[in-house]
Amino acid sequence: AQKVTQAQTEISVVEKEDVTLDCVYETRDTTYYLFWYKQPPSGELVFLIRRNSFDEQNEISGRYSWNFQKSTSSFNFTITASQVVDSAVYFCALSEYLFGNEKLTFGTGTRLTIIP
Amino acid sequence: DVKVTQSSRYLVKRTGEKVFLECVQDMDHENMFWYRQDPGLGLRLIYFSYDVKMKEKGDIPEGYSVSREKKERFSLILESASTNQTSMYLCASRPGQGRTEAFFGQGTRLTVV
Repeated sequence: AQKVTQAQTEISVVEKEDVTLDCVYETRDTTYYLFWYKQPPSGELVFLIRRNSFDEQNEISGRYSWNFQKSTSSFNFTITASQVVDSAVYFCALSEYLFGNEKLTFGTGTRLTIIP
Repeated sequence: DVKVTQSSRYLVKRTGEKVFLECVQDMDHENMFWYRQDPGLGLRLIYFSYDVKMKEKGDIPEGYSVSREKKERFSLILESASTNQTSMYLCASRPGQGRTEAFFGQGTRLTVV
């Protein structure tokens, strides 16, 4: 069985502060993929990043960065200099190979509120 | 631009009604998924399909069924709607090959009264 834990249910920060969203996962698979999605108030999930289990390099995309640490089974997401538009629910997800196809298992999400 | 379209944004149904939620994708994806989203529970997989007429149960299939007669369309059916099925329903699709990201529809907020 696999599990994705996002222990932070809600986070509020003042605009321009940095914020890190935590994600811890469990899997017995040796090859797996991790994802982050953003769900703005409109409701549609927006893909942010995909990382495979063999690539532990950190990634930066503008104000977003991701820290993947296999040793601690974590895939954390940091927003630098937060903006009001970053307010959303963020989901971490883990892939599973089932019946020859992918299945994504999501965490419970972290609601991020950026205070102007 | 990739597109997953769910037929309704908001839906109100009565207890005991048969409810159809429709999802269409225009990306020729093999895999399609139905999730429900509830506060504090995240997204939970109801059913998925990896080919036409093929389906597999997810984590919470009870009370639901699905239909995939055409590649682009994946329907979720509530045989006899109950109030505990009030939720946000999200459809997603992804290619069959390669472990790429899934693309999501805008969601259907279903209220059963």
